[in-house]
Formats: sequence, C-alpha cells, structure tokens
Amino acid sequence: DAGVTQSPTHLIKTRGQHVTLRCSPISGHKSVSWYQQVLGQGPQFIFQYYEKEERGRGNFPDRFSARQFPNYSSELNVNALLLGDSALYLCASSLDNTEAFFGQGTRLTVV
Amino acid sequence: DAKTTQPNSMESNEEEPVHLPCNHSTISGTDYIHWYRQLPSQGPEYVIHGLTSNVNNRMASLAIAEDRKSSTLILHRATLRDAAVYYCILTTDSWGKLQFGAGTQVVVTP
Repeated sequence: DAGVTQSPTHLIKTRGQHVTLRCSPISGHKSVSWYQQVLGQGPQFIFQYYEKEERGRGNFPDRFSARQFPNYSSELNVNALLLGDSALYLCASSLDNTEAFFGQGTRLTVV
Repeated sequence: DAKTTQPNSMESNEEEPVHLPCNHSTISGTDYIHWYRQLPSQGPEYVIHGLTSNVNNRMASLAIAEDRKSSTLILHRATLRDAAVYYCILTTDSWGKLQFGAGTQVVVTP
C-alpha cells in the first residue's frame, strides 16, 4: 500500500510569492495534519483536518491556510512568503485517534 | 498539552540496549504518552504509545512510572538504523495534533 505522498518534494520560491503544497493520505485515512519543521528543530503543528473540517490550528499567521477535499487529500497554502517560511513541510494522515503516518515532506526554500 | 523534557543526546554501542528517559511531571490523567522517531531526511515515524501500563511492540518497549510523571523508551538491541531523533509527546484530545519538542538525538556506534 502507498504511504502518505507529498508533492512537490522540493521547490524554490521568491519572497512575496505564494505556494501550494499537496498531500495524499493513506487510503481510508480521514484525518490529515500539516507540520512545519525548521532545520534543527522538531516539527511544529500547523493544521489538522478531519472529514473536510478544520479540527485544530497551531500558532501560525493567517498567511497559512489549508483545506481538505472529498477524497481526503489536502492542500496547504502559504501567501506572501517570507524567508523564515523556508522549512520542511510535513503531512501526516491517521484514522481517528490512531498513530500518525508521515510523508517524506516538501522542502521549501524562499529566496 | 503538558510539556515533556528529554536529554539532548544519547550515545550507545551497537547491539546494546538504549534507555531514553522522558519527564512529564504535569501530565494529566487523560494524556497518552507517544514516542516517534525521525531518521535523517525522513518524516517522523511512530514507535509506541501508552497510557498507564508498560507496552511492548516489535520496535521497542515503553516503561511508564507508577505516578506517570516519567517514562522510558527502551530499544532492546540498538542497530545503526536506530540512529535518529526520538520525540516523547503527550496528547489528549486528538492524536492528529502532535506537539513535538526538540527530542533526543540517539547516536549508535559500531
């Protein structure tokens, strides 16, 4: 079975641009969560979606938004990119209140 | 969510056991204790979780103190593949909202 897949794997953006990151959960998983991991630190929780509804939001500015589609895939959008948004963005999927399965992440570099 | 405290790093020789401590003195009665690990250049990977009783699975064992204010992840025979950052995390309402700390960097020496 395919695990959590994220696309793209790497991308480079310029300050002020916007970016869309995509995540496909494991088949049957209805919960998708997004995390930001800055180099040298642990992942920081951004959003959780379950059945297309937002279940939780971390301490991130409104420039960050997300949504979940009927097939449970998800997008993370970041507007007005800053240099500090450079990080590894991780997506995780799970059945309700079970272990989380993480993707390999999208490495975003803002220049 | 309650916070956890872990050592920054630990070293072990290959094929020896590794005991990773985690302090969570403000844990609530409904908090589950989770362990995840992150190998270099990969996303985190679930290791084990528990509530009150000790737990064993194919990857590791979790020993939980009687007062639940601390726990220990035990890797019974460390291999080079176990070199990773290990995170101890407490969750209550939703396991999809994991609050990672800095974790413990485990170094395994051949």
